[in-house]
Amino acid sequence: TQLLEQSPQFLSIQEGENLTVYCNSSSVFSSLQWYRQEPGEGPVLLVTVVTGGEVKKLKRLTFQFGDARKDSSLHITAAQPGDTGLYLCAGADDSNYQLIWGAGTKLIIKP
Amino acid sequence: DAGVTQSPTHLIKTRGQQVTLRCSPKSGHDTVSWYQQALGQGPQFIFQYYEEEERQRGNFPDRFSGHQFPNYSSELNVNALLLGDSALYLCASSPDGGYSGANVLTFGAGSRLTVL
Repeated sequence: TQLLEQSPQFLSIQEGENLTVYCNSSSVFSSLQWYRQEPGEGPVLLVTVVTGGEVKKLKRLTFQFGDARKDSSLHITAAQPGDTGLYLCAGADDSNYQLIWGAGTKLIIKP
Repeated sequence: DAGVTQSPTHLIKTRGQQVTLRCSPKSGHDTVSWYQQALGQGPQFIFQYYEEEERQRGNFPDRFSGHQFPNYSSELNVNALLLGDSALYLCASSPDGGYSGANVLTFGAGSRLTVL
């Protein structure tokens, strides 16, 4: 059974601080996606990483896919209150139609 | 260009009742997936519909069933509701690239079901 473990589950920090969210598995994924979900809304795709070791940047967000394609990280620099939300990672397996989801990291950025 | 629309947005049912949730996919998308998201958790895959057939199913009992119509819209039906069925039910659509990894899922805002 494929599992994705996200850590931390909850993070509350002050505006301007940096943070990293981790997504780990013992399984290899063909790609990994990061989503952000706000209350009352569905998840919105932030990025897809495909190649082992790949790094993608989206403004202050940096996403990395592990060399072995089993893990990923999301780093936010100088966090802002607008970054508050539930961050979810989801792994794709080309033999499967479904995504495997982590439980999410609830992030609160205090002004 | 309308995204994924779901209805109803909120509903309250009692144990043992039945519920039907509806989803219209994003224009140009022909594949619909349904997810259950408990409070504070990640989504759990229920099933996926393509060409009006259930293509894959997650670990959910037969009380959960669905349908896809020729216009690609979809319904999720849950029979004999249990308290544990209370959750946000998300519909996601995608163009069929064959596998989930090749597709970008577009999610609706969800239907919040409360079972009393």
